[in-house]
Amino acid sequence: AQKVTQAQTEISVVEKEDVTLDCVYETRDTTYYLFWYKQPPSGELVFLIRRNSFDEQNEISGRYSWNFQKSTSSFNFTITASQVVDSAVYFCALDLGGGSYIPTFGRGTSLIVHP
Amino acid sequence: SQTIHQWPATLVQPVGSPLSLECTVEGTSNPNLYWYRQAAGRGLQLLFYSVGIGQISSEVPQNLSASRPQDRQFILSSKKLLLSDSGFYLCAWSTSGASTDTQYFGPGTRLTVL
Repeated sequence: AQKVTQAQTEISVVEKEDVTLDCVYETRDTTYYLFWYKQPPSGELVFLIRRNSFDEQNEISGRYSWNFQKSTSSFNFTITASQVVDSAVYFCALDLGGGSYIPTFGRGTSLIVHP
Repeated sequence: SQTIHQWPATLVQPVGSPLSLECTVEGTSNPNLYWYRQAAGRGLQLLFYSVGIGQISSEVPQNLSASRPQDRQFILSSKKLLLSDSGFYLCAWSTSGASTDTQYFGPGTRLTVL
């Protein structure tokens, strides 16, 4: 069975601080996909990134960056120079692909960025 | 491009009343469709998923049901709502047959049962 752990329930930072959201996953499969979603106060989950298990390169997109380490089964998400608009709940998810249909979501981390 | 719609956006219903939430997807064919519920506390609970018309898989036994009368339409129903049915309902779609199923979510329906 798969499992995704987001140990940080809530993180509070002041604007312009860097913040890292942790995601640790468990699976016995060698092929899998990892995701991050953002859920702003409006409620809709917004897809941020997908990573497959064979690509450990870190990814950077503007102020967002992701660090995938298979050795520690982690897929952490860093926001550089946080802004108030980054305030949201962030979900990490794991999918085995190949038509598994059902991803496993973590319980989410609530990020609050204060002005 | 693909878009996903849900309605209504908000709903307040009395206990024991029926429910019908609708989700439609545009710009893709034969998508996988999903219903999630998010109660207070933010965790996502998968309720149903469908890989084709008339094909529904239930993940959690409850007084809810789902139907897929058309390729890009997914409906969540209940004959009699319970207080515990309150929550935020999200519909999602993914590409059928893809090696990985990135899910894209709709705007959600906030249901309050009184």
